[in-house]
Amino acid sequence: GDSVTQMEGPVTLSEEAFLTINCTYTATGYPSLFWYVQYPGEGLQLLLKATKADDKGSNKGFEATYRKETTSFHLEKGSVQVSDSAVYFCALTPNSGYSTLTFGKGTMLLVSP
Amino acid sequence: EAGVAQSPRYKIIEKRQSVAFWCNPISGHATLYWYQQILGQGPKLLIQFQNNGVVDDSQLPKDRFSAERLKGVDSTLKIQPAKLEDSAVYLCASSLRIAGVGYEQYFGPGTRLTVT
Repeated sequence: GDSVTQMEGPVTLSEEAFLTINCTYTATGYPSLFWYVQYPGEGLQLLLKATKADDKGSNKGFEATYRKETTSFHLEKGSVQVSDSAVYFCALTPNSGYSTLTFGKGTMLLVSP
Repeated sequence: EAGVAQSPRYKIIEKRQSVAFWCNPISGHATLYWYQQILGQGPKLLIQFQNNGVVDDSQLPKDRFSAERLKGVDSTLKIQPAKLEDSAVYLCASSLRIAGVGYEQYFGPGTRLTVT
């Protein structure tokens, strides 16, 4: 079945540092890929998405590129802020059939001033 | 536009008791999902509705969990009887359509259940 693997956290960074959170996937066909963010005490929010190979999703300074050859969708940000501290989930949904999301385990990001 | 509403936000029960969670999706969203998120893990789909019909309940423990969406709008998820391993956050999500390329699911704040 489909699966998503994320790097384990927590990832601890100082403000303005460069962020990478690795995500790889296993899926049949060509899924759509997502990054969701969960701030403390809140539900998941869609951060960005990509629906086909080589697409780059971007939002709020975060970027991720859909790499079919390496089955990866790594999340990056050039300069993190304290307010980016949250749990980040990589997820996929098949591009045929039902739009059920399969999530990774999540990666906690802690940014200190 | 109002988001996905869930209640209660927190619930503490003893094992073998029953509990119910309520979800009201975004207006006009045909598809509704219930996810279980155990601490340290990603959300896992329990059940998916299209309007008031069940599309996928393959991962719902049907001996103790039940869910309904009678009028195709709000939904209730019930656990009876609860076990310790049911302690988790229960997330409700909705989307405009059931399938298609990259359709976004919108999540509610979740209900944190603690079973003692």
